[in-house]
Amino acid sequence: AQKITQTQPGMFVQEKEAVTLDCTYDTSDQSYGLFWYKQPSSGEMIFLIYQGSYDEQNATEGRYSLNFQKARKSANLVISASQLGDSAMYFCAMSRRNTGNQFYFGTGTSLTVIP
Amino acid sequence: GAGVSQSPSNKVTEKGKDVELRCDPISGHTALYWYRQSLGQGLEFLIYFQGNSAPDKSGLPSDRFSAERTGGSVSTLTIQRTQQEDSAVYLCASSLGQLNTEAFFGQGTRLTVV
Repeated sequence: AQKITQTQPGMFVQEKEAVTLDCTYDTSDQSYGLFWYKQPSSGEMIFLIYQGSYDEQNATEGRYSLNFQKARKSANLVISASQLGDSAMYFCAMSRRNTGNQFYFGTGTSLTVIP
Repeated sequence: GAGVSQSPSNKVTEKGKDVELRCDPISGHTALYWYRQSLGQGLEFLIYFQGNSAPDKSGLPSDRFSAERTGGSVSTLTIQRTQQEDSAVYLCASSLGQLNTEAFFGQGTRLTVV
């Protein structure tokens, strides 16, 4: 069975500092994708970044990067130069080819950026 | 449309009544997902449609919940005999159904059962 684990229910970071949000996953599949989403208090789900299981390079999108360690089955999100607008819930998700690319989500981490 | 559209955005219903929640996915997206999110909680998977395959209904919490997707496009989630514990935000998402493509979410329907 697939499982996404986010062990940090809440995190705080000082504005302009970097922060790492942890995500581990459990699958025996070879082909899978890892995603991070942001959910601000408005409730919308915003896609941030994607990493494929066969990608050798860590994904980066602006201030977001994904620290992918395949052997450890971890896909941590790194946000550099935090901004007040980064305060939100962050969800890690996995899609698996063997289940028709269905998405499985973690329980989320609440990030608060302190001015 | 440009994005995933859900209606209504808010629904207040009396306990015991049936409700229907609608989702219009992005045109061309073969995969459609329903999730439920209680206040301050994560996303609880409900049901997944992918093309013409049989839907994955493994997340439906009880037989009061059902969903259909007509013509591979619009989906309706139906909750019969609503209970107070059904109160939550119901999120719909769609995607191209490929491994490396993200899911796009609607704004959700906030259901309140009184």
